Amino acid sequence: QQKVQQSPESLIVPEGGMASLNCTSSDRNVDYFWWYRQHSGKSPKMLMSIFSNGEKEEGRFTVHLNKASLHTSLHIRDSQPSDSALYLCAASNTGNYKYVFGAGTRLKVIA
Amino acid sequence: DMKVTQMPRYLIKRMGENVLLECGQDMSHETMYWYRQDPGLGLQLIYISYDVDSNSEGDIPKGYRVSRKKREHFSLILDSAKTNQTSVYFCASSLRENTLYFGAGTRLSVL
Repeated sequence: QQKVQQSPESLIVPEGGMASLNCTSSDRNVDYFWWYRQHSGKSPKMLMSIFSNGEKEEGRFTVHLNKASLHTSLHIRDSQPSDSALYLCAASNTGNYKYVFGAGTRLKVIA
Repeated sequence: DMKVTQMPRYLIKRMGENVLLECGQDMSHETMYWYRQDPGLGLQLIYISYDVDSNSEGDIPKGYRVSRKKREHFSLILDSAKTNQTSVYFCASSLRENTLYFGAGTRLSVL
C-alpha cells in the first residue's frame, strides 16, 4: 500500500472552475509536502511546497496543510485548459532526503 | 541554466541484455535520484545518491544498480533486463531537502 494516497484519481472541471486535489500520508515522520505537475509526455515540475500548518497562495494556486492529519490539498481556481496534467503529491521527512510520491490525480480542464 | 540531462531518451532492448541509463546535472547538487514511473503507480524510488560513491537503496532496488563516480553524473544499470522493467525512468537532483529537478526521462522497452 502506498504511503502517500491521492484523491480523486481523475477529475474533470470546466474552464474557469475550481479544481480541488487531496493528498494524505500514512507516515507520521513526514513533515514536508510537495506538489508537482506533469504535462503529458513531459517530466514533473515542482508547483508548490508547504511545510507549516495553514495555507499558502501563489496566483491561482492555493495549498493547505493539516500536519495533525498529514493531509494536504491543492486548489486551482479559474482553471485553464493548460492546467490539464497529472498532479503528483510527494512527502518527505527531515534528514533522509527521500521523497515518496502518490499515484497522482489526472486533471482535465474542458473549454 | 539549471538542467538535468538524460541519455538516451528512448531505448529498446531484448530480455537478458544489459542496459545503461545515464544522467548528468549542471547544478552541483549533492543528491541525485533514479525513479521509474508506471501508470497508476506514480513515481517509485529506485536509488538515491547522497554524493560520490554514497548510494542508498530506494523502495524498489531489486534488479538495478547504480554508479556515481562524479558529483554531476549518476548512472542506472540493469544487468540482464527483464520485461517487467519496461517503464519510463526519471533521474532527478536536489540541493539538500529542496525542489527535485527532473530530467526529460528515458522510455525503456524490454522485449
